[in-house]
Amino acid sequence: DTEVTQTPKHLVMGMTNKKSLKCEQHMGHRAMYWYKQKAKKPPELMFVYSYEKLSINESVPSRFSPECPNSSLLNLHLHALQPEDSALYLCASSHLGTVRNTEAFFGQGTRLTVV
Amino acid sequence: AQTVTQSQPEMSVQEAETVTLSCTYDTSESNYYLFWYKQPPSRQMILVIRQEAYKQQNATENRFSVNFQKAAKSFSLKISDSQLGDTAMYFCAFMKLRITNKLIFGTGTLLAVQP
Repeated sequence: DTEVTQTPKHLVMGMTNKKSLKCEQHMGHRAMYWYKQKAKKPPELMFVYSYEKLSINESVPSRFSPECPNSSLLNLHLHALQPEDSALYLCASSHLGTVRNTEAFFGQGTRLTVV
Repeated sequence: AQTVTQSQPEMSVQEAETVTLSCTYDTSESNYYLFWYKQPPSRQMILVIRQEAYKQQNATENRFSVNFQKAAKSFSLKISDSQLGDTAMYFCAFMKLRITNKLIFGTGTLLAVQP
């Protein structure tokens, strides 16, 4: 199983709503990532979890709140978003450190629209 | 800080022909990985090919091969016998090997394969 599964695939939310994005992998990866991608741009790293602990926060606004309940699951809680937060949100996972065949596997993403 | 540069925003190739996408990077690290990822309109980020910096031999995966020039910090992707399904955005990416493996993406090259 080399899949990273993200739900939902599409999400429309108002600026006062609270919603969550979910990501799941069963490859035994101990690093999980959230990326934000605008149209025709590369993905921008938001958060990295290593061994279920937050290890990198790329100065992301607090209206985005990540959570890693266990080694297979990663959530991104959304609250009071702005229209400029509309984007494709990608989850990825990988092995850690210098393990060979270290590559990131990506999910299909959640297309988020904030209205 | 590491940077990845893709100088060709868009390219076009005829079906069955060969095309080369360019990528240069800047780093002081000695141990790292380089990747080419493909993102078709379906938006799934798919690994095309991986190169470990300590390996001198260029990586090859079927119709895809790289020209890795470590001293020049260059990592180009050659696609042979181009197919319509190769139409996608191609991202070059750098990963330095640490406890947390962070991917740094180039700006992407949009490749169109013409029938």
